Amino acid sequence: DTAVSQTPKYLVTQMGNDKSIKCEQNLGHDTMYWYKQDSKKFLKIMFSYNNKELIINETVPNRFSPKSPDKAHLNLHINSLELGDSAVYFCASSPTQEGTEAFFGQGTRLTVV
Amino acid sequence: AQSVTQLDSQVPVFEEAPVELRCNYSSSVSVYLFWYVQYPNQGLQLLLKYLSGSTLVKGINGFEAEFNKSQTSFHLRKPSVHISDTAEYFCAVRRNDYKLSFGAGTTVTVRA
Repeated sequence: DTAVSQTPKYLVTQMGNDKSIKCEQNLGHDTMYWYKQDSKKFLKIMFSYNNKELIINETVPNRFSPKSPDKAHLNLHINSLELGDSAVYFCASSPTQEGTEAFFGQGTRLTVV
Repeated sequence: AQSVTQLDSQVPVFEEAPVELRCNYSSSVSVYLFWYVQYPNQGLQLLLKYLSGSTLVKGINGFEAEFNKSQTSFHLRKPSVHISDTAEYFCAVRRNDYKLSFGAGTTVTVRA
């Protein structure tokens, strides 16, 4: 059983499109995150939700909108995609917002053309 | 503010040789420290973590790390590497605002 699963694994789309990435965790964790990994492999947190409530919102364009329908799911919707949005997006979860351990999904490689 | 510096961007090493990956952090308060590994085209997997207690932490796959408060370091070591250890390694610190802050990563390439 996959602990943190993301779909799709690969996403190629044109500039200006709107796309969503889905994430689900079956670990019973309270906290979920979205991270962005750029072409130089640098990882940066984007958002964090704890029990469906937004607790971390880094300086991210408002074209990015996370949605957490329940604590097991955290989806990422991106409007008006730009070339610079090309990256690998990782979903992660932690038992609590203290973040003593984070479990990561396999990543979604987004390519904007 | 807390930040993480990984001192080596690339570390080539021969199979069965030891390896050390260096990580320094800046923090004025207690920290939680982590090492993650990312195999090609995969997500991150936790190797080990330091929360408190013994400064020598043992992780999976034969890795260990030592927390050194005076030197603000958390270096990762393995006495004998395998080809399968070829991967990207990330040091991370959990900040006071509960966010994980990652280093830039160290690419380890193990050659036969």
